[in-house]
Amino acid sequence: KNEVEQSPQNLTAQEGEFITINCSYSVGISALHWLQQHPGGGIVSLFMLSSGKKKHGRLIATINIQEKHSSLHITASHPRDSAVYICAVNTGNQFYFGTGTSLTVIP
Amino acid sequence: GAVVSQHPSWVICKSGTSVKIECRSLDFQATTMFWYRQFPKQSLMLMATSNEGSKATYEQGVEKDKFLINHASLTLSTLTVTSAHPEDSSFYICSANRDRVREKLFFGSGTQLSVL
Repeated sequence: KNEVEQSPQNLTAQEGEFITINCSYSVGISALHWLQQHPGGGIVSLFMLSSGKKKHGRLIATINIQEKHSSLHITASHPRDSAVYICAVNTGNQFYFGTGTSLTVIP
Repeated sequence: GAVVSQHPSWVICKSGTSVKIECRSLDFQATTMFWYRQFPKQSLMLMATSNEGSKATYEQGVEKDKFLINHASLTLSTLTVTSAHPEDSSFYICSANRDRVREKLFFGSGTQLSVL
């Protein structure tokens, strides 16, 4: 069993749709990261959170520590949001990565 | 945000040769750097954690004699793939931060290694 599970694995959306990507984890964590990887391979850290909710532009990340669950929301999705989104958790000693969600936003 | 530079972006080498990949933090001192490997259409796999001035900590299943990591300064870590073979062909990426608990990760742009 993976320590971090993401869903869905693949997601196709029409431009403008509201998107949700889910992440569940089974270990105690000090922080959870949402990462974005574009087709060229470069990775950008979108959020690091340990409680509550963070917002940056059209992106919102939430975490429920008791339920060991986090969601990444994209409002008014755009083709440039097409990328792989990876959830990663930091236990303080170790990082565990989800298998990623491949998002394609169609114009 | 902090900048992490990784070099080279891609490298092609013959089987049996060694390849060195550099990861530099350009505008901050990174006490910890991480090295990852990624196969096509798969997620990141943490290979090792590199701490300045001490030996790297390798993840289970990663051969430390195969993947040599040196973190000689607070701004530079290197990964050397020794005696590379075609199965070592992969995308290698590093990340760094100043505080591994309280800060976001900053990633290099990755190195695509192809071993012929």
